[in-house]
Amino acid sequence: QQQVKQSPQSLIVQKGGISIINCAYENTAFDYFPWYQQFPGKGPALLIAIRPDVSEKKEGRFTISFNKSAKQFSLHIMDSQPGDSATYFCAAHNTGGFKTIFGAGTRLFVKA
Amino acid sequence: GAGVSQSPSNKVTEKGKDVELRCDPISGHTALYWYRQSLGQGLEFLIYFQGNSAPDKSGLPSDRFSAERTGGSVSTLTIQRTQQEDSAVYLCASSLRQASNEAFFGQGTRLTVV
Repeated sequence: QQQVKQSPQSLIVQKGGISIINCAYENTAFDYFPWYQQFPGKGPALLIAIRPDVSEKKEGRFTISFNKSAKQFSLHIMDSQPGDSATYFCAAHNTGGFKTIFGAGTRLFVKA
Repeated sequence: GAGVSQSPSNKVTEKGKDVELRCDPISGHTALYWYRQSLGQGLEFLIYFQGNSAPDKSGLPSDRFSAERTGGSVSTLTIQRTQQEDSAVYLCASSLRQASNEAFFGQGTRLTVV
């Protein structure tokens, strides 16, 4: 019930292409869904987040799509760039105080 | 600084020795997390502190691992009788319980057990 399943484990995309990473959760008590980006040697940093009262959130080239009934959400990176190459983690959180649960991560490599 | 600070940044220790890893969260953040990240792997949850509540220790892999948080601020993760499989990056994060719930991560402590 506390798991967040993330796929794919790794992803290679051509420069200018669309990168798509998917996550699924089980616990309907989660009410905050962030995505974190991690570069080698650094800690993860918040990239974009969504609450379940909206189906989509866009910030620049990054978009979260959220499907509440399916308990799924995804990150889309438009016009992917080599600088986007990093590991991406989805997460789920309950503002009632439960710990944040992270997905296993997706290693994205954008080919120049 | 204003961010989460972890020390040391790197630690090399001999098998069987005890180590202490320190985390200074952002001032005012009530939630504090410890995660472990092996090379190229995901974030393995270890322990979670929230205010004055009892910590969630469900992720600690063995009784060699313990953590405390003094005064609701600084946290120390202790690993006793270190083993080679303990080698990893240990990440600390803190967040506010309210508002955005964004977790702010430190740079991590890279632990190598030789």
